Amino acid sequence: DQQVKQNSPSLSVQEGRISILNCDYTNSMFDYFLWYKKYPAEGPTFLISISSIKDKNEDGRFTVFLNKSAKHLSLHIVPSQPGDSAVYFCAASGGSGTYKYIFGTGTRLKVLA
Amino acid sequence: ETGVTQSPTHLIKTRGQQVTLRCSSQSGHNTVSWYQQALGQGPQFIFQYYREEENGRGNFPPRFSGLQFPNYSSELNVNALELDDSALYLCASSLPETGKAFFGQGTRLTVV
Repeated sequence: DQQVKQNSPSLSVQEGRISILNCDYTNSMFDYFLWYKKYPAEGPTFLISISSIKDKNEDGRFTVFLNKSAKHLSLHIVPSQPGDSAVYFCAASGGSGTYKYIFGTGTRLKVLA
Repeated sequence: ETGVTQSPTHLIKTRGQQVTLRCSSQSGHNTVSWYQQALGQGPQFIFQYYREEENGRGNFPPRFSGLQFPNYSSELNVNALELDDSALYLCASSLPETGKAFFGQGTRLTVV
């Protein structure tokens, strides 16, 4: 049972344009969401997070939007840069207080120069 | 650089053997979680330790066990290795009040 889903395994975007990565979840108890990016041979690196009490969080070129009614969140990267090419994981936690994360399967972003 | 270090980086073991993976958490972080990431999948939660006590466990059999030490470093032990245990094992440390975890680079385990 996949509680966190990233339905696009890959995405290609031209440098300078917007990248939009999507994530859906099924568990309404989730109250904290994160995006991680992962380069080959490295561990995931925290990118940005959002609490369920907000619907938007912005950090430089990265913005995360949360739509609780649709159980959907998205990560916007503007403008996209070649160095953003990586695998992006959406993760959710909450309800149990253990801060364990449930990860999606990832979306491979390729930013073309 | 997250301050979380894992050792070894790569390991090859034979089916049936036992393995111990190690994690040094970021300074001051009292919570350590372990994840298994199979090829093409997202990380799957194995268990979490908070102040040396197990504080939550995912859907993994008892042959996956762990320890956390007073300095908050941690070990993951896997007994009776199976071929399907081949994966990247990630350690993450955090402070519960921040909700943000910092991951190490992982240990790539291959079981043959």
